[in-house]
Amino acid sequence: DGGITQSPKYLFRKEGQNVTLSCEQNLNHDAMYWYRQDPGQGLRLIYYSQIVNDFQKGDIAEGYSVSREKKESFPLTVTSAQKNPTAFYLCASRTGHYSNQPQHFGDGTRLSIL
Amino acid sequence: GNSVTQMEGPVTLSEEAFLTINCTYTATGYPSLFWYVQYPGEGLQLLLKATKADDKGSNKGFEATYRKETTSFHLEKGSVQVSDSAVYFCAPTAGSSASKIIFGSGTRLSIRP
Repeated sequence: DGGITQSPKYLFRKEGQNVTLSCEQNLNHDAMYWYRQDPGQGLRLIYYSQIVNDFQKGDIAEGYSVSREKKESFPLTVTSAQKNPTAFYLCASRTGHYSNQPQHFGDGTRLSIL
Repeated sequence: GNSVTQMEGPVTLSEEAFLTINCTYTATGYPSLFWYVQYPGEGLQLLLKATKADDKGSNKGFEATYRKETTSFHLEKGSVQVSDSAVYFCAPTAGSSASKIIFGSGTRLSIRP
């Protein structure tokens, strides 16, 4: 079955450490997205990518970085500059950034501070 | 700018009660509408899609309606079950700028047996 796989499901970060969250999709989608979800809150867009080797900042990109070297993969790095990284991170994809189709979501990664 | 306001929760209902969740938006153009559901510890799943005024969209007993005169969306179910307990998000696309999906803040629904 096609879908989006996020790993790990739980991740712990030490002070001053960078951590990378994995997102892989086999839906052949061009567009991919990273969202942050805080308890009881909606989704906030961190970064998105319309196509391979291209990505754009979302609403809360500071302290995060991404890459899009392959169509299937869109990893998110939470850097030490992100002072409040504890949250639930969701990856999503869509056929195209300018389509009116819905997004498909992974099951999320929960990041906590040690 | 475009914005979406979703009915605040939590909403607590008894099993077999009628459910309605409201979502209003401001945007130029005619939007597509998505309702997503998030079960505890999981990502979002698409529940319903509606892209026309007369396309109510239905799935798993849920129905999505759109009222153009008030630019509001409504998610309804005639008889809820305990398994419907989750957080529900509305996500209109921003009308003519279909690239940007805007998520509501989510409505937490709890169903009592």
